[in-house]
Amino acid sequence: KQEVTQIPAALSVPEGENLVLNCSFTDSAIYNLQWFRQDPGKGLTSLLLIQSSQREQTSGRLNASLDKSSGRSTLYIAASQPGDSATYLCAVKGGGGTSYGKLTFGQGTILTVHP
Amino acid sequence: NAGVTQTPKFRILKIGQSMTLQCTQDMNHNYMYWYRQDPGMGLKLIYYSVGAGITDKGEVPNGYNVSRSTTEDFPLRLELAAPSQTSVYFCASLQGISDYNEQFFGPGTRLTVL
Repeated sequence: KQEVTQIPAALSVPEGENLVLNCSFTDSAIYNLQWFRQDPGKGLTSLLLIQSSQREQTSGRLNASLDKSSGRSTLYIAASQPGDSATYLCAVKGGGGTSYGKLTFGQGTILTVHP
Repeated sequence: NAGVTQTPKFRILKIGQSMTLQCTQDMNHNYMYWYRQDPGMGLKLIYYSVGAGITDKGEVPNGYNVSRSTTEDFPLRLELAAPSQTSVYFCASLQGISDYNEQFFGPGTRLTVL
């Protein structure tokens, strides 16, 4: 059974700092990995999707990496801003014929960026 | 193109009541999913469907039922509401299971059972 763990559970940083969020998964047979952002009381916003054959994806100040063999992904946020404060979730899409696109989520990292 | 829509946005139920959470997607996706998110946790899969007429259980299906009579709609039914079902429910859809396809999520339904 796939298990996804995110570390740290919470992170508080001053504005302008570069930071890294970590995601690990137990089964390396995945199709892709997605990073989501969730604001309090809101839905999920997809930030980045890394295909199983890719090593990293970039969008603006965000860079996500994937090391399938070690079961790890990182989300790097450059020059953090107070508007980046949110919960960040990673989710893996299982590989194999019976996965049917199901996602397994980590519990999230709560990020607070203070001015 | 509205994507994935869910109704209602909020609902309070009494123990033992029943209700249906509605989910509709207009992207002609075959795959649809229901997840629940408890406070401070990630999402857990309740049920999923790979096409009209085909549904299967996810990780936490007890207390729920689903149907998929059309490609667009995937309602989630709670028959006898219990406080443990207090959660936020998200519906999602997916075009295909290849590695470049991403799931699209609805805005969620916040359910409280008292």
